[in-house]
Amino acid sequence: DTAVSQTPKYLVTQMGNDKSIKCEQNLGHDTMYWYKQDSKKFLKIMFSYNNKELIINETVPNRFSPKSPDKAHLNLHINSLELGDSAVYFCASSLWTSGQETQYFGPGTRLLVL
Amino acid sequence: GENVEQHPSTLSVQEGDSAVIKCTYSDSASNYFPWYKQELGKGPQLIIDIRSNVGEKKDQRIAVTLNKTAKHFSLHITETQPEDSAVYFCAASPTTGGSNYKLTFGKGTLLTVNP
Repeated sequence: DTAVSQTPKYLVTQMGNDKSIKCEQNLGHDTMYWYKQDSKKFLKIMFSYNNKELIINETVPNRFSPKSPDKAHLNLHINSLELGDSAVYFCASSLWTSGQETQYFGPGTRLLVL
Repeated sequence: GENVEQHPSTLSVQEGDSAVIKCTYSDSASNYFPWYKQELGKGPQLIIDIRSNVGEKKDQRIAVTLNKTAKHFSLHITETQPEDSAVYFCAASPTTGGSNYKLTFGKGTLLTVNP
């Protein structure tokens, strides 16, 4: 299946822990994104990478560190997790170089910090 | 930066009726306007999009209209079915500026279609 995939789907952890979420796309896209969706369903961009280079970094605490080992992968590492980090995190990708701006979203990672 | 307002936040219709969701945006540089449908427990899925050189676009039961002068765009769903029940998001972005473009989303509309 061609798609954007994320692991894990669910993540329950204690405050203060460090965790990572992984994202992979096999659509041949060159741009990948991380979004945070809060309990009110509001979708907000966190980061964007184009060809492994960070191009968008919204006002996100530096406890959040994205890493793109190659164009098909964008991981998100979160240090010292806080209660307010509980949310659904979505990865997305698009093919900018073709002029296609459509973003395709993954299924989400539901993070609960206790 | 861009600000996208979306109304209503909830919408309940009877099966077979039409549903309309409206969005306004603030940045005149925005020229790409996608609509996403998010079903429970899933990621947002693109259902239709429109660019500023087009005033209206239709795909079966779904249509989107754009008024660039007034900076608003709307999603129209006709002959609604229970499977249309979901959260719908509008978004706006510029398409210039290379890869720096970003989508700004509205806050979503929970559409419920009652059988």
